[in-house]
Amino acid sequence: AQSVTQPDIHITVSEGASLELRCNYSYGATPYLFWYVQSPGQGLQLLLKYFSGDTLVQGIKGFEAEFKRSQSSFNLRKPSVHWSDAAEYFCAVGRNTGNQFYFGTGTSLTVIP
Amino acid sequence: EAGVAQSPRYKIIEKRQSVAFWCNPISGHATLYWYQQILGQGPKLLIQFQNNGVVDDSQLPKDRFSAERLKGVDSTLKIQPAKLEDSAVYLCASSRRLADADTQYFGPGTRLTVL
Repeated sequence: AQSVTQPDIHITVSEGASLELRCNYSYGATPYLFWYVQSPGQGLQLLLKYFSGDTLVQGIKGFEAEFKRSQSSFNLRKPSVHWSDAAEYFCAVGRNTGNQFYFGTGTSLTVIP
Repeated sequence: EAGVAQSPRYKIIEKRQSVAFWCNPISGHATLYWYQQILGQGPKLLIQFQNNGVVDDSQLPKDRFSAERLKGVDSTLKIQPAKLEDSAVYLCASSRRLADADTQYFGPGTRLTVL
């Protein structure tokens, strides 16, 4: 069965510091992986996705993620966090038939000045 | 292009009442999804449509939830009767087609509170 684990419920970083959000997945075949961001009162916005090719994926807002098959991970990174990055971040795995997504429980990011 | 539209944004009802949510996907998007997001959890797929047909409704509590997409465009999700545990944000999403890794675009959601 497909599943996604985001081990960190909440992370606090200082503005300008680097960020890494962890995501581990369980899926029997080659996964399609996504990171979404959700600001308060808003829907989910796609940051980036991986489905094949280069394992380092670039996304919007300066985010990147690296797919590591051996570790079943797809961690999200940003070299320098801005106050506007404070939000909830969700990792998701897409089933390779039917385009159904399975989301993790999310990581809440707080950015302090 | 206009995004996924949902209404209402907020709804408060008492248990055993009924409620309906509306979603208008991005123009031209064939696939539509309804998710339930309980506080502190990630979104969980309730039902998925391809045009006006149901692709998967295995996680829809069919004794109280129903959904339709009659003309293959907008969709309605209904709860009747509501229970306290239905308090959640209901998200609608759409994608161009039913294809692997096709990006899903989400609406702002409807926050339901059941008292």
